[in-house]
Amino acid sequence: QKEVEQNSGPLSVPEGAIASLNCTYSDRGSQSFFWYRQYSGKSPELIMSIYSNGDKEDGRFTAQLNKASQYVSLLIRDSQPSDSATYLCAVKDSNYQLIWGAGTKLIIKP
Amino acid sequence: GAGVSQSPRYKVAKRGQDVALRCDPISGHVSLFWYQQALGQGPEFLTYFQNEAQLDKSGLPSDRFFAERPEGSVSTLKIQRTQQEDSAVYLCASSYTRDFHEEKLFFGSGTQLSVL
Repeated sequence: QKEVEQNSGPLSVPEGAIASLNCTYSDRGSQSFFWYRQYSGKSPELIMSIYSNGDKEDGRFTAQLNKASQYVSLLIRDSQPSDSATYLCAVKDSNYQLIWGAGTKLIIKP
Repeated sequence: GAGVSQSPRYKVAKRGQDVALRCDPISGHVSLFWYQQALGQGPEFLTYFQNEAQLDKSGLPSDRFFAERPEGSVSTLKIQRTQQEDSAVYLCASSYTRDFHEEKLFFGSGTQLSVL
């Protein structure tokens, strides 16, 4: 069974600090990695994608990928209350099927 | 419309009733996916269409679940003889690319199904 694991949280971070969200995956052949944000009662929304080892930055968001360790992370700098949501890690496996983690609930405290 | 549209937004069904959930993807999007999301969980894959062809239905939990996309645009997910364990949010997502590697999904608001 191919798996994507995330800490369910909640992860509580003070406003203005860096929030660090982590995800591990089991299929070593996975090629594409995505972070989605899901507000309560809403649908997932893509915020970052990463395909190569290393860091990818987009505004306050940085995705980090380490294929050797089968680990992908999302850093949110200067966290805002509006960043409070559940963050879903999704991994496209070697069969091109998207496997989802259960999500990490992030709470930004003003 | 500008986004993926799903209807109804909420559906309450009595156990044993048949339901039909509709998805209208973004115009021109080739790929369409159905997912089931239980409370506190990530989406679980149900089925995938490329245009009108249903290329993968491996995630459908039983033969009570059926999906179609006859003209390659609007899709319907039908659940026959609903059971309480079918209660979940059903998400539809579409994508404009046939590039499976870099596919980015755009989700609808979902249909929350409650089976009593």
